[in-house]
Amino acid sequence: DSGVTQTPKHLITATGQRVTLRCSPRSGDLSVYWYQQSLDQGLQFLIQYYNGEERAKGNILERFSAQQFPDLHSELNLSSLELGDSALYFCASSSPSGGQEKLFFGSGTQLSVL
Amino acid sequence: GQSLEQPSEVTAVEGAIVQINCTYQTSGFYGLSWYQQHDGGAPTFLSYNALDGLEETGRFSSFLSRSDSYGYLLLQELQMKDSASYFCAVLNQAGTALIFGKGTTLSVSS
Repeated sequence: DSGVTQTPKHLITATGQRVTLRCSPRSGDLSVYWYQQSLDQGLQFLIQYYNGEERAKGNILERFSAQQFPDLHSELNLSSLELGDSALYFCASSSPSGGQEKLFFGSGTQLSVL
Repeated sequence: GQSLEQPSEVTAVEGAIVQINCTYQTSGFYGLSWYQQHDGGAPTFLSYNALDGLEETGRFSSFLSRSDSYGYLLLQELQMKDSASYFCAVLNQAGTALIFGKGTTLSVSS
């Protein structure tokens, strides 16, 4: 158990809908990262937050947004969903002292868009 | 930007040694990380090399050559439980977030 909690584990929805994925980092970690994993694209970095502020953006679509709250939990919002958004979404956190190279991943949210 | 190349698949038998290579192109380089992911599971950190040379952690070792923009993960005394995907990763240009390669699927047979 990495200490990173993601909910829900599975999500099934229809095209055009909007969903919210939730992540709680390990106790004491200030950084939260979101990754999307699909079969053909591997682990794609979406976005990073540090202590409530956006720090880095990767290949995140405009239909997707995220935020980190004062209690450090984070939410990833996916809207106007398309079939191609079906993927495993991971959240990760890193220690303030351990460096960004060592990430602790949650168990992921499997999103299926039908 | 960052790009990483690693083989898509490697097969080996129990007890053997396997090497998974990774070449990278980055606009700024801090070091090379390796992660393991079992099917259906979360990626877990294996190792990190910031300097040239070999780092050993039990049956796993990781090597880095900064001048060749190349690294590898060496797995010895392979076990069935080592069947998994292995990812190399580098930090983005700002040094704030990891960018992953597409992963190498290792299949260990008896």
